[in-house]
Amino acid sequence: AQSVTQLDSQVPVFEEAPVELRCNYSSSVSVYLFWYVQYPNQGLQLLLKYLSGSTLVKGINGFEAEFNKSQTSFHLRKPSVHISDTAEYFCAVSDDNQGGKLIFGQGTELSVKP
Amino acid sequence: ETGVTQTPRHLVMGMTNKKSLKCEQHLGHNAMYWYKQSAKKPLELMFVYNFKEQTENNSVPSRFSPECPNSSHLFLHLHTLQPEDSALYLCASSRNHGGSLGTDTQYFGPGTRLTVL
Repeated sequence: AQSVTQLDSQVPVFEEAPVELRCNYSSSVSVYLFWYVQYPNQGLQLLLKYLSGSTLVKGINGFEAEFNKSQTSFHLRKPSVHISDTAEYFCAVSDDNQGGKLIFGQGTELSVKP
Repeated sequence: ETGVTQTPRHLVMGMTNKKSLKCEQHLGHNAMYWYKQSAKKPLELMFVYNFKEQTENNSVPSRFSPECPNSSHLFLHLHTLQPEDSALYLCASSRNHGGSLGTDTQYFGPGTRLTVL
């Protein structure tokens, strides 16, 4: 069965520093990958998604992620974070065997400090 | 994000109460979902509706009863809940379900924070 691992439950970082949030998934033939962000007291908002094509995906708010098939990873990056990026970030994956279901990771809490 | 709305945003109920959560999507989608989000756990898919028909029940206890009167509205009826049911309940919608997920991205509402006393 498909599974997702977010290796860091909490990532503290200073403002304007770069950040990488890690996500690994179990292997599959054809996989679709997503990053969602959840700001305090809000629902999930789609940041970016990989469906096919270029392995480097650009999303909203300056985030990007790179699909690495050989390492089964989809790490999220931002070169310079802002205080407003403080939120919980969820990696999600599906494949053609999931019947459209998304499998979520446990989330990474990004805390940006001044 | 105003495409998917949920009411109420917060709900406190006793174990003997009956209440309902409401979700409405304004995106013209055909599929709707209920998820449970508990602290420090991955989102758990509860129910899926596609064209008003339930296509997925992820072994959810019968004290949770979904209803989908049309493709735009989804309800979750609650009765005799337990304290461990306290969580954030999220609704989502997508164009369709069960097809190519590449085109069926899910859009989420803000959630209902439920506390069971």
